[in-house]
Amino acid sequence: GAVVSQHPSWVICKSGTSVKIECRSLDFQATTMFWYRQFPKQSLMLMATSNEGSKATYEQGVEKDKFLINHASLTLSTLTVTSAHPEDSSFYICSARVRIVTSTDTQYFGPGTRLTVL
Amino acid sequence: GDSVTQMEGPVTLSEEAFLTINCTYTATGYPSLFWYVQYPGEGLQLLLKATKADDKGSNKGFEATYRKETTSFHLEKGSVQVSDSAVYFCALSPSGGSNYKLTFGKGTLLTVNP
Repeated sequence: GAVVSQHPSWVICKSGTSVKIECRSLDFQATTMFWYRQFPKQSLMLMATSNEGSKATYEQGVEKDKFLINHASLTLSTLTVTSAHPEDSSFYICSARVRIVTSTDTQYFGPGTRLTVL
Repeated sequence: GDSVTQMEGPVTLSEEAFLTINCTYTATGYPSLFWYVQYPGEGLQLLLKATKADDKGSNKGFEATYRKETTSFHLEKGSVQVSDSAVYFCALSPSGGSNYKLTFGKGTLLTVNP
């Protein structure tokens, strides 16, 4: 099946620093990637939709200047948490949609990145 | 807006027991419905899906039927195994257009004891 990787799998940083998380589709091209945030014992909350070569579309309440998303190629999207604070600590998950037009909606998820801001 | 409500866990069962995890949704039109599973330390994996009313999705012994009349997509398995221990998420994707954004339920933790 399709594989999506994320790097790093976990990161600890100091408050005020920026952290970059990479999401790669390893064996397929993804025109669309999604970024989610998951709080403990909570659902995944969609943060933004990232289309290759264009600006990301952010969900309501998500600060686009705080969470910078770049989708420079069909296999790579990055999420940068700028000036991170302890409340940004969370599990960040990406998913990628294959470049095939179908009548069904299939996303492949990465394993997630655990961010802890001290 | 769209929403998904699934039964709260945790659910603890003995091996070979029958499993039901309830899921209901609110959405306009005919969304596609999904069950995802998240094993410890791993990313979400698609377990099964259904794209229209009365469709039954099935995989690895799990089944769920798309019920438009009750707006439900309950997950069932006749005999669970220890290896089924995971978090299960019900989700929907809006019908039509190019919007493939998923809306998830809160997840249900299943623990199966030997």
